[in-house]
Amino acid sequence: SQKIEQNSEALNIQEGKTATLTCNYTNYSPAYLQWYRQDPGRGPVFLLLIRENEKEKRKERLKVTFDTTLKQSLFHITASQPADSATYLCALGASGGYNKLIFGAGTRLAVHP
Amino acid sequence: ETGVTQTPRHLVMGMTNKKSLKCEQHLGHNAMYWYKQSAKKPLELMFVYSLEERVENNSVPSRFSPECPNSSHLFLHLHTLQPEDSALYLCASSQGGAVQETQYFGPGTRLLVL
Repeated sequence: SQKIEQNSEALNIQEGKTATLTCNYTNYSPAYLQWYRQDPGRGPVFLLLIRENEKEKRKERLKVTFDTTLKQSLFHITASQPADSATYLCALGASGGYNKLIFGAGTRLAVHP
Repeated sequence: ETGVTQTPRHLVMGMTNKKSLKCEQHLGHNAMYWYKQSAKKPLELMFVYSLEERVENNSVPSRFSPECPNSSHLFLHLHTLQPEDSALYLCASSQGGAVQETQYFGPGTRLLVL
């Protein structure tokens, strides 16, 4: 069955460092992948989308890579700040049909001053 | 705010109660979604509506009944729920329901079934 794995353990890093979060998937060939941020008590907020034919995408301090051979996406936050502390979700999408996303359980990031 | 509102934000109900969750999107979108989010688990897609037509019913028990009267409003009617149905219920919308679209989420309804 399709499976998405994100680190279940919280990631603790020091302010100013680069945070790297991992999303691995099996039994799936997504046409694209999205990353969302979720704060406690709030709904997820879209951050970035990367397509299967793209290796890397950047937006300000955020960078996403997508390796369809390794079946892995990496999400980087450079110069991290305490305000970046949240849970980050990856979601895989299929081609064709409607906009169905399959989500990972998310990784909680804590950035310490 | 994301332009998607949900009411109520918190709900406690007994197993014999009937209640409804409401979602409204102010973004002019044509697709709306219901998700269930339990602790430490991925979001589970429950229902998808595109242009007010249900296009996905993801093996959800019949005690959950969706309703989409127009493209701006989505309801989830609840009856005879079980304690394991306690979770955060999230509504989302997207522009047309086509692939590769961003989904915009509401804040969710935190449901506790006693």
